[in-house]
Amino acid sequence: DGGITQSPKYLFRKEGQNVTLSCEQNLNHDAMYWYRQDPGQGLRLIYYSQIVNDFQKGDIAEGYSVSREKKESFPLTVTSAQKNPTAFYLCASSIDLGSSTGYTFGSGTRLTVV
Amino acid sequence: DAKTTQPTSMDCAEGRAANLPCNHSTISGNEYVYWYRQIHSQGPQYIIHGLKNNETNEMASLIITEDRKSSTLILPHATLRDTAVYYCIVRSPLEGGSQGNLIFGKGTKLSVKP
Repeated sequence: DGGITQSPKYLFRKEGQNVTLSCEQNLNHDAMYWYRQDPGQGLRLIYYSQIVNDFQKGDIAEGYSVSREKKESFPLTVTSAQKNPTAFYLCASSIDLGSSTGYTFGSGTRLTVV
Repeated sequence: DAKTTQPTSMDCAEGRAANLPCNHSTISGNEYVYWYRQIHSQGPQYIIHGLKNNETNEMASLIITEDRKSSTLILPHATLRDTAVYYCIVRSPLEGGSQGNLIFGKGTKLSVKP
């Protein structure tokens, strides 16, 4: 079955360390997205990618970096510059940016920085 | 900022219809209405979307008013597994930049009770 896989489900890191969250999709979707969710809040867009080797900043990109070397993969690195990295991170994909179809989300990675 | 207004929470009896309202008074002509839901600690799940006409699928029905300034998501026979946060989102796939992506507000927390 096609879908989006995020790994790991839970991640613990020490303050000051960079950490990379994995997101893989086998839906043949061109567009991919990273969102952050804090307790009791909606989702906020970090980065998005329309196509391979292209990505754009979302609303809260500071302290994060991404790459899109393959269509299937859109890893997110949470750097030490991110002031409050503890959150629930969600990856999503869609056929393309200009399509009216919905997004497919992964099951999320819960990052805790201690 | 989210372009929609939803009640913070709602209750529904199991087996009854759940009617979730959403106001989007500033919606523009090329913006679609999307509904997603998020069960605790999982990724959001796409439910349904529409532009002008009412829509129905195996999960729900979407009723959009004639002036498109509000809509209602209907779960015809709510079950305990429908307990979740429901997000109403308006989006134009034609809009460039991060505003063309899904922007999530806080949604409505629906509690289905036995």
